[in-house]
Amino acid sequence: DTEVTQTPKHLVMGMTNKKSLKCEQHMGHRAMYWYKQKAKKPPELMFVYSYEKLSINESVPSRFSPECPNSSLLNLHLHALQPEDSALYLCASSQGQGRGPGELFFGEGSRLTVL
Amino acid sequence: GQNIDQPTEMTATEGAIVQINCTYQTSGFNGLFWYQQHAGEAPTFLSYNVLDGLEEKGRFSSFLSRSKGYSYLLLKELQMKDSASYLCAVRDRGYQKVTFGIGTKLQVIP
Repeated sequence: DTEVTQTPKHLVMGMTNKKSLKCEQHMGHRAMYWYKQKAKKPPELMFVYSYEKLSINESVPSRFSPECPNSSLLNLHLHALQPEDSALYLCASSQGQGRGPGELFFGEGSRLTVL
Repeated sequence: GQNIDQPTEMTATEGAIVQINCTYQTSGFNGLFWYQQHAGEAPTFLSYNVLDGLEEKGRFSSFLSRSKGYSYLLLKELQMKDSASYLCAVRDRGYQKVTFGIGTKLQVIP
């Protein structure tokens, strides 16, 4: 079982809707990530939070808005998305620097379809 | 930035050994990961190299040469369940940014 939990697993939304993706981890990790993955493509980094502060934004359009309410939770707020935003959105977490390899632990993803 | 290359597809026979290569060019390097991803599932961590040499973990081994910008993942005693995509990923000097290669889709045949 994955220790990173994402909800919902599937989401269908229209271009005018507002929705949110949620991610939770209880491993005490201090870095959390959002990746986007389209079919037959590698995961692409969107955002990184370190110690609850946004540390990396890979020039993601403002229709994607991340939020980190506490060290265990990560949200991705979605508004006015386009059909090309349809993809698998993966949340991941990792330990901080100096604590082992710092590999990413991924959730099972939220599969988003924008109509 | 990072530029990561790996073959897109490979086929190998059950019980055999397969080597998946990865080359990378990076402006900063702080470790290389291999992940396994089954279709429709999330990637799972397989191995990590930050120093040159071979890391062995059961049926899986990974090798790194930093001077050559080269790594490989070696899978021994292949099983049908090893059919998956294998992603090479490089972490930059800042420790937080991990960039993935396109992945090598491995098909294990009887």
